[in-house]
Formats: sequence, C-alpha cells, structure tokens
Amino acid sequence: AQSVTQLDSQVPVFEEAPVELRCNYSSSVSVYLFWYVQYPNQGLQLLLKYLSGSTLVKGINGFEAEFNKSQTSFHLRKPSVHISDTAEYFCAVTVIQGAQKLVFGQGTRLTINP
Amino acid sequence: NAGVTQTPKFQVLKTGQSMTLQCAQDMNHEYMSWYRQDPGMGLRLIHYSVGAGITDQGEVPNGYNVSRSTTEDFPLRLLSAAPSQTSVYFCASSKAGHWNTEAFFGQGTRLTVV
Repeated sequence: AQSVTQLDSQVPVFEEAPVELRCNYSSSVSVYLFWYVQYPNQGLQLLLKYLSGSTLVKGINGFEAEFNKSQTSFHLRKPSVHISDTAEYFCAVTVIQGAQKLVFGQGTRLTINP
Repeated sequence: NAGVTQTPKFQVLKTGQSMTLQCAQDMNHEYMSWYRQDPGMGLRLIHYSVGAGITDQGEVPNGYNVSRSTTEDFPLRLLSAAPSQTSVYFCASSKAGHWNTEAFFGQGTRLTVV
C-alpha cells in the first residue's frame, strides 16, 4: 500500500521569504503525485501535479514542486510568499493501477507573518 | 457550474442519532468519494464509488453507509453517531478511470457529535 508523509505539521515564514514544504511517499508501484491547498473554511483545490516527464512542475500562484524518484520525494516550493498563501497544504498520491484512490499526507499548515 | 455541493455545512448531533450528509456534483463525474479530515491526520477515505450502483470501502468505513443511485448524488449516512465521528467531511468527484485527473472537492460539512 502507498503512504505519504509530510515532514512538517506547521511552517511559519515571513512575508516575501522563500518556503519549502516537504513530502515523501512510499509505494511499490508507480504513482501520480499531487499538491492540494485548503484555504481557511474552504474545500481543497489542486495546486499542481506530477504525472511524467520533467521532474519540475509549476502550479498556480507561483508554486512549483520537484519530483525526486530516488528519494521518493515531492517537495513544494515558492521563492517569495505572500500573506494570501496562508493555508493548509496537502501532498497526495494515487497509484497508476487498481482502485482509483487518492492517499493524502497529514497536511502542513503554512503561516505567513508580516 | 456549481461543482461539488455539500449540505449541510454545519451539524450537531447527539450520540446515537442518525443523519445523512448530502453530496451532489454537476460535472458528470463517475468517480465520487467521501473523506474525513481530522487534525494531524490529513484526509482519510471513507467510501468511494466508480459509478451508479457501485460502491466500495475506503480506509475508515466503519459506522458509515453509502449508496449511489444516480451519477450526480452520493450521500453518506451515519447510522448511529458517535463522538469519534466528530470531524470535517469532504465529498470529492473526478473522472473515473483517469488516475491522473484532478479531484474536485466540496466545501465540507463540519459535524459535531455530543
């Protein structure tokens, strides 16, 4: 079975500073990788996804993530954060076969301080 | 498009009461699922459906029932509510058979069982 570990439950950063949210996954088969964002009191929305090809993927709102197969990681980065980036971020995987299920990590709460 | 609509947004139940959380989508998605979100645990899959008349259990199905009589609707039933079911519930939909596709989430239902 696959699993996802987000290494930080909370990440506080100052506005305009860079940020990295870490995600590691475990799976015996190939996976698709996703980052979802949840703004306060809202549902989740897709930030970006890795399917194949270039290991650096770009998403909405200036976020990008890099897939590293040897380290089974999919870390999310942004070079300069804004107050509006305050949200909870979830890394998720789905296996490329069998039942179509999204498996989520525990979430990382990103807090931007002025 | 309304996307995925969940009702109600908030609910308080007494232990032992039953209720149904409603979920409807207007995107003609075959795949629908229910998750619960608890602090520090991310989102965990309760039940899912790949089409009308077909449902299956996820990671945490105990205490919950589902049915899928139409493509649009996927209600979640709590037969006898327990305090352990206090959580935020999210319904999601996506295209079936497309493991790389985006999942669309509702706004969530915050359930408290006292």
